[in-house]
Amino acid sequence: GQQLNQSPQSMFIQEGEDVSMNCTSSSIFNTWLWYKQDPGEGPVLLIALYKAGELTSNGRLTAQFGITRKDSFLNISASIPSDVGIYFCAGPPAGGTSYGKLTFGQGTILTVHP
Amino acid sequence: DTEVTQTPKHLVMGMTNKKSLKCEQHMGHRAMYWYKQKAKKPPELMFVYSYEKLSINESVPSRFSPECPNSSLLNLHLHALQPEDSALYLCASSQREGSYNEQFFGPGTRLTVL
Repeated sequence: GQQLNQSPQSMFIQEGEDVSMNCTSSSIFNTWLWYKQDPGEGPVLLIALYKAGELTSNGRLTAQFGITRKDSFLNISASIPSDVGIYFCAGPPAGGTSYGKLTFGQGTILTVHP
Repeated sequence: DTEVTQTPKHLVMGMTNKKSLKCEQHMGHRAMYWYKQKAKKPPELMFVYSYEKLSINESVPSRFSPECPNSSLLNLHLHALQPEDSALYLCASSQREGSYNEQFFGPGTRLTVL
């Protein structure tokens, strides 16, 4: 099946630092979604991207849909303790029989030290 | 209202019990999803309902039985589960089933099978 390679797997940073994570695939994607999940809760949608090259911001978060449609990155600026959690990229691969089904990256576990 | 609600929040059941998980959304979405998630892993798709009809069953064992009574409600009936079925069960919804539709997740039900 389709796979999304998400990196890094985990990050340990100091409060105030910037964070960058990315996802790559061997297949093209129609949509890139970035979710954050707190322990014991469901994933919360942070940013949705629909067009190749699209750059979208949501507060301190910025995400881009790669021009080749095979990658995306998420940046968090000036991290704060509540940024702690697991970040997942996800998207439905274009074509095939995967209509609407999301493929998820393995997640990036973010720890922020005060 | 952009919320997906799930009940119960926690459930402990024996292997001979029958229980049900409930999911509700009032966003007018016509696609609803069940996912299973193990700790620190991405969600795994189980079922997709589109316009109250089962669209995708990801080869889920028959001890899990989904039901969509109407466009706002989604149930997951559980019977004769195994300890390895213990996980966080997530419900999600999107406007339609398709590649350009964002999925919104509920908070999940933490299931423990003894």
